[in-house]
Amino acid sequence: KQEVTQIPAALSVPEGENLVLNCSFTDSAIYNLQWFRQDPGKGLTSLLLIQSSQREQTSGRLNASLDKSSGRSTLYIAASQPGDSATYLCAPHSGGGADGLTFGKGTHLIIQP
Amino acid sequence: GAGVSQTPSNKVTEKGKYVELRCDPISGHTALYWYRQSLGQGPEFLIYFQGTGAADDSGLPNDRFFAVRPEGSVSTLKIQRTERGDSAVYLCASSLSPQETQYFGPGTRLLVL
Repeated sequence: KQEVTQIPAALSVPEGENLVLNCSFTDSAIYNLQWFRQDPGKGLTSLLLIQSSQREQTSGRLNASLDKSSGRSTLYIAASQPGDSATYLCAPHSGGGADGLTFGKGTHLIIQP
Repeated sequence: GAGVSQTPSNKVTEKGKYVELRCDPISGHTALYWYRQSLGQGPEFLIYFQGTGAADDSGLPNDRFFAVRPEGSVSTLKIQRTERGDSAVYLCASSLSPQETQYFGPGTRLLVL
């Protein structure tokens, strides 16, 4: 059974800093991996999808990397802004897509103005 | 275009009652997923539909939970004899295919008194 761990559980940094969120998963036989953000009381917003054949994916100030063999992914956020404050969730997708995503508990990020 | 929509946004019911939660996926998305999120946790997979059929219902906690997608579009999650432990946010997601990005709805917050 896939298990996902995200470190740190919470992070508070001043605006403008670059930061890295870590995700590890136990079953490396994944099809792809998604990163999401979740604002309080809201649904999930997809940030990036990395296919298992890819090493990284970029969108604006976000860069996600994937090392499938070691069961790790990182989300890099450049030049953080207060609007980046949210909970960030990583979710590997196993079983060739024929099942659901497995989520960690997320990293609760606060960017101080 | 329109995203994934879920109704109702909030549902309060009494222990033992029956509830139905509805999900309208993005038009053209053949894959549909239901998840459940408890406070402070990441979402937990419940069931996956490809078209009209439930391709994987391994995440349903017990036989009180059932979901349908009769025409391959709208899906309904049905919970019989609700228990207080069923209280959570129920999230629906859809994707063009199982291997592509999942887009989440805003969720239905269920409270069982």
